[in-house]
Amino acid sequence: NAGVTQTPKFRVLKTGQSMTLLCAQDMNHEYMYWYRQDPGMGLRLIHYSVGEGTTAKGEVPDGYNVSRLKKQNFLLGLESAAPSQTSVYFCASSYSPRLGFFGPGTRLTVL
Amino acid sequence: GQQLNQSPQSMFIQEGEDVSMNCTSSSIFNTWLWYKQDPGEGPVLLIALYKAGELTSNGRLTAQFGITRKDSFLNISASIPSDVGIYFCAGPPNTGNQFYFGTGTSLTVIP
Repeated sequence: NAGVTQTPKFRVLKTGQSMTLLCAQDMNHEYMYWYRQDPGMGLRLIHYSVGEGTTAKGEVPDGYNVSRLKKQNFLLGLESAAPSQTSVYFCASSYSPRLGFFGPGTRLTVL
Repeated sequence: GQQLNQSPQSMFIQEGEDVSMNCTSSSIFNTWLWYKQDPGEGPVLLIALYKAGELTSNGRLTAQFGITRKDSFLNISASIPSDVGIYFCAGPPNTGNQFYFGTGTSLTVIP
């Protein structure tokens, strides 16, 4: 049981480049979330999904897109990276609207 | 977005001391969650509260769901060095799937 895994662990991008972060969970959870964490600001919700094929915007969705084509995977895309998107990104999953399990995070730097 | 205020922002205590921290929101919550985050890792769920007035323990940790439903409290008894980390409160306002996080309380335990 791997729990929640995130790929990659670290990434450096140049402004304007695109990338996709992958979150995978093997617990058959319905709910999945993407957060970003910046110093002094706690975690802020970017997008979330309440089941396969569904997505919804969170608190700070601008500049990001997501897809949930398979129940176990939740992808976060940056189409044109900006320095303001330098952050640590966390994925989480749960079997009900109760946050449970977080992944180890992806550290992204945009130059 | 939703504002969750945690206090204190940081604490420096001697090993063996008890710790208290709290979280207040600008609106009513129906669930309160407390997480701990170690450096370089994702948050780990410590305690979940679902009812106003509820008091729940997890080892040396005790959390309470405030009667007004706008606050929650976390206590740690007889602190030890491994309690070091950042403690976050989180929850969804009323009904909903969006979880908001507080800005965290950083705890340092001096041996």
